[in-house]
Amino acid sequence: DAGITQSPRHKVTETGTPVTLRCHQTENHRYMYWYRQDPGHGLRLIHYSYGVKDTDKGEVSDGYSVSRSKTEDFLLTLESATSSQTSVYFCAISESAGSSISGANVLTFGAGSRLTVL
Amino acid sequence: RKEVEQDPGPFNVPEGATVAFNCTYSNSASQSFFWYRQDCRKEPKLLMSVYSSGNEDGRFTAQLNRASQYISLLIRDSKLSDSATYLCVVNMRGYQKVTFGTGTKLQVIP
Repeated sequence: DAGITQSPRHKVTETGTPVTLRCHQTENHRYMYWYRQDPGHGLRLIHYSYGVKDTDKGEVSDGYSVSRSKTEDFLLTLESATSSQTSVYFCAISESAGSSISGANVLTFGAGSRLTVL
Repeated sequence: RKEVEQDPGPFNVPEGATVAFNCTYSNSASQSFFWYRQDCRKEPKLLMSVYSSGNEDGRFTAQLNRASQYISLLIRDSKLSDSATYLCVVNMRGYQKVTFGTGTKLQVIP
């Protein structure tokens, strides 16, 4: 299995507080992603990164920011958490993006971070 | 219309049964297709990629129908351990846009 770890795995926080989730990979993959998963919505992309300091927004980026200062780390920050951000957050990595015959665009996920905002 | 649609189920099938799931996608420019499996409270894991010619991996068969814009997953001789949610995943060519279906829940019963 790919080396990808998320921390913290569980967090309970209060509305208005900042929260940072960390994703760490040991695979040296170029692409890293943050998804959230909610009942009835499936996995939705928040932000992704295609290299150090190169990031872009996904479909549900409002209220979130990211940073990637090293290949192996991708941080997701909720500047001021709201109850609507209660969710399970998954980090994922891939070697490449877009179509790939070799399967290099396959996503490998971390174990998830369960966030509850009260 | 959602970009990727799946029947949420649950599909309750006895051990040994054959079960099939379909997934429809709306964007004809989609190029890569996958099935992921997600166990309860766990991360999604790749089950298999779906190739244009169809592909098989043991008891699992995946097929792609571009004309009707759907992919399918067939599971033969279902095992209790197959109980999970199966996610359909569609990726557009040359662009980092991966869309997940909401998943189909399978429960294999003894």
